[in-house]
Amino acid sequence: DADVTQTPRNRITKTGKRIMLECSQTKGHDRMYWYRQDPGLGLRLIYYSFDVKDINKGEISDGYSVSRQAQAKFSLSLESAIPNQTALYFCATGTGAGQPQHFGDGTRLSIL
Amino acid sequence: EDQVTQSPEALRLQEGESSSLNCSYTVSGLRGLFWYRQDPGKGPEFLFTLYSAGEEKEKERLKATLTKKESFLHITAPKPEDSATYLCAVQDRWKTSYDKVIFGPGTSLSVIP
Repeated sequence: DADVTQTPRNRITKTGKRIMLECSQTKGHDRMYWYRQDPGLGLRLIYYSFDVKDINKGEISDGYSVSRQAQAKFSLSLESAIPNQTALYFCATGTGAGQPQHFGDGTRLSIL
Repeated sequence: EDQVTQSPEALRLQEGESSSLNCSYTVSGLRGLFWYRQDPGKGPEFLFTLYSAGEEKEKERLKATLTKKESFLHITAPKPEDSATYLCAVQDRWKTSYDKVIFGPGTSLSVIP
């Protein structure tokens, strides 16, 4: 079983819809992250959380919100989806500075 | 500003033809440099962490090296199963308040039988 599980794996939706992407992990890590990946741009951080009560914006948080329901669960919401939010979305976990992050297999999101 | 570039953007090799991928970075102070492998439809898979210039890490046909300005991922006698996108990422020593990691755009490697 995967250590970091993302659902759904694929989603197609329409402009203006609210969407939630979910992430759960069994690695026991406190830190969780949401990234988006666009061709040629690399991975960019949307939000990060160091524990259930600590949630922070990353470099591209506009149009997104998150919820940390438990140590193992971190969800990303698009309140009103727009086409330029079409991308691959990855959840990751980590243990701290200088340590690698561990990624789920992503959600491919298309907004028409 | 922290920055990571990777070259080449894409690389095609014959099976057994060794080569190197480059990662150039700019940070105030390096906390760590990470190499990941990403297969189509999958998330990045961690390969190596390097912390200081002169450090080397090896895993099967892969060897990662680090200087003060760049890192190389050497692939010796590659096989078709080494085909993937290889991502480089750095963490700035002076920006660890939120573990900020800067990712490069990746090098897409194809190994032809």
